[in-house]
Amino acid sequence: EAGVVQSPRYKIIEKKQPVAFWCNPISGHNTLYWYLQNLGQGPELLIRYENEEAVDDSQLPKDRFSAERLKGVDSTLKIQPAELGDSAVYLCASSLAGSLDAADTQYFGPGTRLTVL
Amino acid sequence: AQKITQTQPGMFVQEKEAVTLDCTYDTSDPSYGLFWYKQPSSGEMIFLIYQGSYDQQNATEGRYSLNFQKARKSANLVISASQLGDSAMYFCAMREEYNFNKFYFGSGTKLNVKP
Repeated sequence: EAGVVQSPRYKIIEKKQPVAFWCNPISGHNTLYWYLQNLGQGPELLIRYENEEAVDDSQLPKDRFSAERLKGVDSTLKIQPAELGDSAVYLCASSLAGSLDAADTQYFGPGTRLTVL
Repeated sequence: AQKITQTQPGMFVQEKEAVTLDCTYDTSDPSYGLFWYKQPSSGEMIFLIYQGSYDQQNATEGRYSLNFQKARKSANLVISASQLGDSAMYFCAMREEYNFNKFYFGSGTKLNVKP
């Protein structure tokens, strides 16, 4: 079974440019997560989707970040405009049940490493 | 207060020896789950082991075991017979069921296995 797929793996952009990341979760997983991970730190949740609904976007900087999961499967995270401080790894994860089960395990993609110059 | 605390930024262990990575957590939720993930230098987070707050026995998965001490709110990961491939970052995480199943990660422990 295929794991979580993310693209691109690496992205280098100039500040103030837009950038988008794509994620395809494990087949059948209803819940999708976007995380930001700074070097040497643990992942921090940006947004969580259950099917098409964003159930937790409290940590998403909505002035420049947006996300969508239109058909409840794959998802796109966008930054516009990017700032120097956005340089980080953006991780996507998916899980089967989300809010329904405390044992619900998240499975992660390889991440997108963003460098803003 | 930190939800997950990992007090060891870095650890060294000799190949074939056992090592314990510490994790303490803070929650008032009666139902929660505890997870450990491994992140090699390649960057992908790999799920290792899960322990439920109501589980009576410590979880084990191959060479990984979770030393769950509920009263002390600790969930230490024990890796037996360390291998060179175990060198990686290790993250402890918690999900709080009554808090909309929010998921919290610790800051990680960098494990280096010496030959």
